[in-house]
Amino acid sequence: QKEVEQNSGPLSVPEGAIASLNCTYSDRGSQSFFWYRQYSGKSPELIMSIYSNGDKEDGRFTAQLNKASQYVSLLIRDSQPSDSATYLCAARGSSNTGKLIFGQGTTLQVKP
Amino acid sequence: NAGVTQTPKFQVLKTGQSMTLQCAQDMNHNSMYWYRQDPGMGLRLIYYSASEGTTDKGEVPNGYNVSRLNKREFSLRLESAAPSQTSVYFCASSEGGDSYGYTFGSGTRLTVV
Repeated sequence: QKEVEQNSGPLSVPEGAIASLNCTYSDRGSQSFFWYRQYSGKSPELIMSIYSNGDKEDGRFTAQLNKASQYVSLLIRDSQPSDSATYLCAARGSSNTGKLIFGQGTTLQVKP
Repeated sequence: NAGVTQTPKFQVLKTGQSMTLQCAQDMNHNSMYWYRQDPGMGLRLIYYSASEGTTDKGEVPNGYNVSRLNKREFSLRLESAAPSQTSVYFCASSEGGDSYGYTFGSGTRLTVV
């Protein structure tokens, strides 16, 4: 069973700090990776995707991918209380079915 | 632009009752998926449809059936509900290519008593 692993947290950071969320995956053939944000009682919302090794920045969010280490991370700069949510990491499996494999999510708490 | 629409949003069933969860997308996506989400278990794939006319089992298909009615609609049926099926159910759709993530519906919170 291909897996995506995340620390469930909670990860607590003060407002204005950088939050660092990490994820590892087991399927070395995975080529595309996604970060979703899920507020309590709501559905997951896609916030970042990354396909190539290195960094990808979008506003306050930076996704990082290291395929050699099978490691994906999400950095949130200038964290706000509104960023408090569960962040799900997902990897697209190496089969051609398009299925995403999700980690269990990391709960982020940003304290004012 | 509605995206992915799920109905109903909430449902309470008695053990042994049946019901169908409806899902429709208006984004002309090829692929559709049904997940359940339970505390501590993350999102688990029940069934998926890579394209119109095809369906396949996911990680936890037992007790469920699906129908890809057309390109827009993908329904999930519980034939004889059990308390273990108490969960939040999400439908999602995707273009199907490697570069595309999912768009999720708002979810159905199902309780089986």
